[in-house]
Amino acid sequence: EVQLLDSGGGLVQPGGSLRLSCAASGFTFSNYAMNWVRQAPGKGLEWVSAISGSGGSTYYADSVKGRFTISRDNSKNTLYLQMNSLRVEDTAVYYCAKGATTRPREGFDYWGQGTLVTVSS
Amino acid sequence: QTVVTQEPSFSVSPGGTVTLTCGLSSGSVSTSYYPSWYQQTPGQAPRTLIYSTNTRSSGVPDRFSGSILGNKAALTITGAQADDESDYYCVLYMGNGIWVFGGGTKLTVL
Repeated sequence: EVQLLDSGGGLVQPGGSLRLSCAASGFTFSNYAMNWVRQAPGKGLEWVSAISGSGGSTYYADSVKGRFTISRDNSKNTLYLQMNSLRVEDTAVYYCAKGATTRPREGFDYWGQGTLVTVSS
Repeated sequence: QTVVTQEPSFSVSPGGTVTLTCGLSSGSVSTSYYPSWYQQTPGQAPRTLIYSTNTRSSGVPDRFSGSILGNKAALTITGAQADDESDYYCVLYMGNGIWVFGGGTKLTVL
């Protein structure tokens, strides 16, 4: 059974940093691209970042480029999102999402339960 | 900046059929955008319904189907049930590793 467990959220001041984790199990982690998607309170879904199965390619939404870094440790089956220079508008529930197939373009299938990041002074 | 468009809201009668669409502010959606569809109820993580235009995710009943209709991606729900009342999101692959979600459609079953 595929499972994704998001963690690392919390309350942080503007300008601060936080690292999110997504522990994966039930599939061959290194074969699949992984993504982070967020949802601000009362708003829709926003794609944030993606990383290839090998970790060699990374992609970011313009809203987080230069501030967030996606990475993965395939030996630990874990995905990360390092968030720096956080802004109030980064407040959201962050979900990790697994690529639906081994071809990264084909969407997402499984989702984590989400972890809440609150940026406030 | 390309915007992915969805109907803000839609309603369907129990047992009825509804088609939600996913378009582009400029241009047409094709299979090259690998449209996918997600269902979300308040307080829950999204659930994948359809990926790569028309592939149903594991465990999704066949009353949910995806297609391209004209210049948009479409999600059709046949035999609507009360628990289909949810928010529905599409996402399109824009190339260069970038995905863009639509604003979502709030579906009411009444």
